[in-house]
Amino acid sequence: GAVVSQHPSRVICKSGTSVKIECRSLDFQATTMFWYRQFPKKSLMLMATSNEGSKATYEQGVEKDKFLINHASLTLSTLTVTSAHPEDSSFYICSARTQSQPQHFGDGTRLSIL
Amino acid sequence: GQSLEQPSEVTAVEGAIVQMNCTYQTSGFYGLSWYQQHDGGAPTFLSYNALDGLEETGRFSSFLSRSDSYGYLLLQELQMKDSASYFCAVRTGAGSYQLTFGKGTKLSVIP
Repeated sequence: GAVVSQHPSRVICKSGTSVKIECRSLDFQATTMFWYRQFPKKSLMLMATSNEGSKATYEQGVEKDKFLINHASLTLSTLTVTSAHPEDSSFYICSARTQSQPQHFGDGTRLSIL
Repeated sequence: GQSLEQPSEVTAVEGAIVQMNCTYQTSGFYGLSWYQQHDGGAPTFLSYNALDGLEETGRFSSFLSRSDSYGYLLLQELQMKDSASYFCAVRTGAGSYQLTFGKGTKLSVIP
């Protein structure tokens, strides 16, 4: 079945640094990738929708200058959390889909900002 | 706005059958998906219903009634490994394929 790889799985860093998370579709070309954020024991909240070669569409309340998304190819999207602060600590999950596939999720990145 | 309602917790006995419900109110509807998520893990796709009726995949079945804005996930022959959170998600756009997730039902399977 479809596989989505997300890297790194866990990041611990100091406040003020920037963190880049990669999301790759391994055996299919993803027309669309999605980035979600999930707080403990809560649901997945969509942050942005990323289409290859175009600007990402951000959900209301998500700062595009803080959460930079690049979708340079049909198999790779990156999320960069800029100038991270403790309140940005969360579980970030990407998903990818193509026309014949439902959304398939990566394993997530647990981000902890000290 | 969009809202999906799911019971927060369900407990069931190993070997039994459990049904987890989902009701939704969304501005658009193009299908209902179900995902399983174990603690600390990623959501795993289980099923998708675009039309009314029952879809069966092994021990898992999913049902949709669009007129009632209601669906459920049915798990048969419960196993301990089925203990997880189960999320329903509505596809709200024809072209965007965006999903809006419910808050999830935490299923605990006991011996």
